[in-house]
Amino acid sequence: ETGVTQTPRHLVMGMTNKKSLKCEQHLGHNAMYWYKQSAKKPLELMFVYSLEERVENNSVPSRFSPECPNSSHLFLHLHTLQPEDSALYLCASSPRTAGNTIYFGEGSWLTVV
Amino acid sequence: QKEVEQNSGPLSVPEGAIASLNCTYSDRGSQSFFWYRQYSGKSPELIMFIYSNGDKEDGRFTAQLNKASQYVSLLIRDSQPSDSATYLCAANAYSGAGSYQLTFGKGTKLSVIP
Repeated sequence: ETGVTQTPRHLVMGMTNKKSLKCEQHLGHNAMYWYKQSAKKPLELMFVYSLEERVENNSVPSRFSPECPNSSHLFLHLHTLQPEDSALYLCASSPRTAGNTIYFGEGSWLTVV
Repeated sequence: QKEVEQNSGPLSVPEGAIASLNCTYSDRGSQSFFWYRQYSGKSPELIMFIYSNGDKEDGRFTAQLNKASQYVSLLIRDSQPSDSATYLCAANAYSGAGSYQLTFGKGTKLSVIP
């Protein structure tokens, strides 16, 4: 139990589907993140939210759309994905000022067929 | 472009030996450094962080930081087969509005041979 919960843990979707990944943190943190992990690549930061406002968007394609309705919940909406988007998507959170350690959820394995 | 470099390995050490994992970073503005362990098919879990030059010890793990050389290392003493995993080095820098951005290396795969 990491304090950051992601659902679903596994997702298979077609290229024309629309799906969403959900993340919830129970740590009282104010910042939340989406990372992408592909084989043989470093973890890639996709989006950062601080106090529900997006502060980072690292040139992520528009087929990925984040949503942060409050400081405990983060979504990643997926539509018209490509097979190369298949990866492990990790949600993470961190305190605003209490420290700079980030804590990861268990990840959502996404396969695009 | 902020970069964190690690030798991808695999690094193989016999059980009971010291495993030494190394990492360099390019951004001199980085203030904190992290080591995460990632087992196959699992998410990264934090092992240690360090932000002052020198050594920091926690059980069998010692993190070392040399900001002048932009170098971070992790030593694992008395290595166990359960330490076999990929170790990710990350450098942290404040990116504004209360958030911190971690830049990760590709990770070093460690294999501890019984």
